Amino acid sequence: GENVEQHPSTLSVQEGDSAVIKCTYSDSASNYFPWYKQELGKRPQLIIDIRSNVGEKKDQRIAVTLNKTAKHFSLHITETQPEDSAVYFCAALKGGKLIFGQGTELSVKP
Amino acid sequence: DAGVIQSPRHEVTEMGQEVTLRCKPISGHNSLFWYRQTMMRGLELLIYFNNNVPIDDSGMPEDRFSAKMPNASFSTLKIQPSEPRDSAVYFCASNLRVGNTEAFFGQGTRLTVV
Repeated sequence: GENVEQHPSTLSVQEGDSAVIKCTYSDSASNYFPWYKQELGKRPQLIIDIRSNVGEKKDQRIAVTLNKTAKHFSLHITETQPEDSAVYFCAALKGGKLIFGQGTELSVKP
Repeated sequence: DAGVIQSPRHEVTEMGQEVTLRCKPISGHNSLFWYRQTMMRGLELLIYFNNNVPIDDSGMPEDRFSAKMPNASFSTLKIQPSEPRDSAVYFCASNLRVGNTEAFFGQGTRLTVV
C-alpha cells in the first residue's frame, strides 16, 4: 500500500523567511497530492493541492512542486507570518484512498 | 451545506464501555474516511467507504473496532470494549471520488477512555 514520509517533523523560521516541507510517496500510481493545515484544536483544512499531470502550482505565498520520477513533492511558503504557525500535513491519494504524512509543526517567530 | 458533521465532540468513557462515534458527510459526496489522530502516530486512516461500501479497512487496529455506513448520509465507528490506548481524536472526512477532489474534515471527536 501507499506510504507517505514527511520531513522535517518540526520547523522554526523567522517571520519573513521561507519554509519548505518535503514529502515522498511510495506508490507511483498515486495521482493527487493535497496539503492540509491544522491549527491547534481545529480540523485539518486544505491549503493547496496538485495533480500528477502538473509539476508546480502556486497560490499567493504558497506553492507546491511535484517530481513524479523521484516520487516526491514539496510545500513552499514564502514571506512567512506568525499566523502560518500550525501543523502541516501532506497526503497522497490512490484509488480513492487518502494517506497522510506524519505532519510538520511550523513555528514562525515574530 | 453545513459541512461534515461529527458527534459527539467530546466523549469520556470508562474502560470496557462501548463507544459509538457518528458522522454525517457532505451531501453528494460518495467517499467517507475515518481517521484517528494521536501525537505518536499522526493521522491514521482506519477505514474508507465508497458509495456506502467499505473498500479498505486495513487500518482498523483490531476486532474491537467496527464501522458501518448504512446509507449515504450516515456512518458510525464503534469501539467495543474501549481501552485507554484508544484515547485520541477521531476525524471523519468526505469527498467526491470522481476527479480526486478535496476531502473535507469534520470537527472531530475527542475520545478519552479512563
